[in-house]
Amino acid sequence: DIQMTQSPSSLSTSVGDRVTITCRASQSITTYLNWYQQKPGKAPQLLIFAASFLQSGVPSRFSGSGSGTDFTLTISDLQPEDFATYFCQQSHSTPLTFGQGTRLEVK
Amino acid sequence: QVHLQESGPGLVKPSETLSLTCAVSGVSVTTGGSYWTWIRQSPGKGLEWIGYIYLNGKVDYNPPLQSRATISLDTSKNQFSLSLTSVTAADTAIYYCARDRGITKIDFWGQGSLVTVSS
Repeated sequence: DIQMTQSPSSLSTSVGDRVTITCRASQSITTYLNWYQQKPGKAPQLLIFAASFLQSGVPSRFSGSGSGTDFTLTISDLQPEDFATYFCQQSHSTPLTFGQGTRLEVK
Repeated sequence: QVHLQESGPGLVKPSETLSLTCAVSGVSVTTGGSYWTWIRQSPGKGLEWIGYIYLNGKVDYNPPLQSRATISLDTSKNQFSLSLTSVTAADTAIYYCARDRGITKIDFWGQGSLVTVSS
């Protein structure tokens, strides 16, 4: 199985900040990497697919980059509704696997 | 608009079978490129992919669950189902049904169904 490791596991941040979350795969997954946002009591929602493509309806302050084993999710100008948990997920091969999550908290 | 809704018992006894159904609306389960997926989430194991079924009946399961999980498709009702046998407390989780588009991105999720395994 491909292991996905996110860092940090939590981040204290403020509205207006620029936030970067990283995800590392245990082997190359080229650009088969997705990012999801999950709010308490809700299902995850797709933000970014194929490492850098913004899902329809997602604000442009969200962006993704990377290839191979190292990826980043960047949120520029953090908004109040962005305080949530973010997960990466590899779609290179089954079993599909997820990172452990990064929780954004209010500083 | 695509909508998925899980249904099934919220409490299952140890050693029994967990059964969940996902009703799909807004898209046919026979739509090409749609892989109908089950994922679960627990505090201890995070998000765990259980498996998927495709319109031609092809299934793929996560190896640790392969011997206990069965995913089936009911095209007449536009729904798909999960059966997980011999459950233990470790199977307590929120179970999500979802659509994986081309095994590239999971673009639609159900709201989730909490299943507790307890006597």
